Amino acid sequence: AQSVSQHNHHVILSEAASLELGCNYSYGGTVNLFWYVQYPGQHLQLLLKYFSGDPLVKGIKGFEAEFIKSKFSFNLRKPSVQWSDTAEYFCAVNEGDYKLSFGAGTTVTVRA
Amino acid sequence: NAGVMQNPRHLVRRRGQEARLRCSPMKGHSHVYWYRQLPEEGLKFMVYLQKENIIDESGMPKERFSAEFPKEGPSILRIQQVVRGDSAAYFCASSPGLAGGNEQFFGPGTRLTVL
Repeated sequence: AQSVSQHNHHVILSEAASLELGCNYSYGGTVNLFWYVQYPGQHLQLLLKYFSGDPLVKGIKGFEAEFIKSKFSFNLRKPSVQWSDTAEYFCAVNEGDYKLSFGAGTTVTVRA
Repeated sequence: NAGVMQNPRHLVRRRGQEARLRCSPMKGHSHVYWYRQLPEEGLKFMVYLQKENIIDESGMPKERFSAEFPKEGPSILRIQQVVRGDSAAYFCASSPGLAGGNEQFFGPGTRLTVL
């Protein structure tokens, strides 16, 4: 089974700071990769996804992620965060099927 | 455009009682997935259902847990004789087709607390 590791449990930033959240997975074959976000009191929403092609993926709200196959990584980045980016972020992986394996999540708190 | 609906949002049960969690997929979606998030862990796949069929229940505990997705009505995740270790957030997701590459749309989750 897939194992997904998110390096940081809780990140605290000031507005306009840059954000990078780490994600590593264990499977060596073909994978689909996702970042989901859960704003306080809301549903999990898809931020971005990678299936194939350009390893630099652009998502919603100014987020991007880079797939580095050799490092089994799919790190999420945003150059300048806003207070509204306060949320919990989940990295997820599937092996081309329907079973998503999630990391434990990173809580991001942005201070105004 | 209603998203995936789950109810109740919070459920408190005493040990030994039954818990029933409901999930209504998005309109037009015929595939439903249930995930469980234990404290301090990521979501874990439990079961994948299509209308009237369980396709994959490899993530379901062998005892006390069952799921259904009838022809009419919501999908139900049923936990019999709950124990404290069942306390978790249970998320439902749906997709229009087999979600290998397609997005799964998640509901808000049901937070089950077992006293």
